[in-house]
Amino acid sequence: DGGITQSPKYLFRKEGQNVTLSCEQNLNHDAMYWYRQDPGQGLRLIYYSQIVNDFQKGDIAEGYSVSREKKESFPLTVTSAQKNPTAFYLCASSRAWNTEAFFGQGTRLTVV
Amino acid sequence: AQSVTQLDSQVPVFEEAPVELRCNYSSSVSVYLFWYVQYPNQGLQLLLKYLSGSTLVKGINGFEAEFNKSQTSFHLRKPSVHISDTAEYFCAVSSSNYKLTFGKGTLLTVNP
Repeated sequence: DGGITQSPKYLFRKEGQNVTLSCEQNLNHDAMYWYRQDPGQGLRLIYYSQIVNDFQKGDIAEGYSVSREKKESFPLTVTSAQKNPTAFYLCASSRAWNTEAFFGQGTRLTVV
Repeated sequence: AQSVTQLDSQVPVFEEAPVELRCNYSSSVSVYLFWYVQYPNQGLQLLLKYLSGSTLVKGINGFEAEFNKSQTSFHLRKPSVHISDTAEYFCAVSSSNYKLTFGKGTLLTVNP
């Protein structure tokens, strides 16, 4: 089946450690996105990528990094510089800017 | 810069009553508009989208939305809600720079 896979579903890390969240899509979409969701804050854009080997900062990129070496993969690294990393992270992809985005099931990251 | 404002953070209604969830947007360029629904601890699913053409858009599960360019609004409506419509609803705007921006969401609670 075509879709977006985020793994793992739940992730626990100690404070000060970097952690990488996986996002893979087999929809042959060019664009991919990472969002952070906190209660009452909606979805806030972290990074997005229009095409392989290119990405842009979103509204809250500080403390995060991404890579887009393959069309189907867009991993997100939450670094120790992110002051409040505990959140629900959602990955999405779309064929183009004027088409709908498809979402993964999310990764809930807890930093203790 | 583009932004989305969802005017109500929570909307409680009784089953079989009509509902309207409000969304206003701002953008300096042409945009495409979307409504998504999120059930607890899941990703987002597309309800409907406005790309061009008729300003009244019909989506899944009996939802519809009307695009009003002069008022920069894209309100979501359903004439009769069910318990199963209880979820969080997000309005989103996409522009040609591939930035996909979401509102803070409206929690719709349908009571028996």
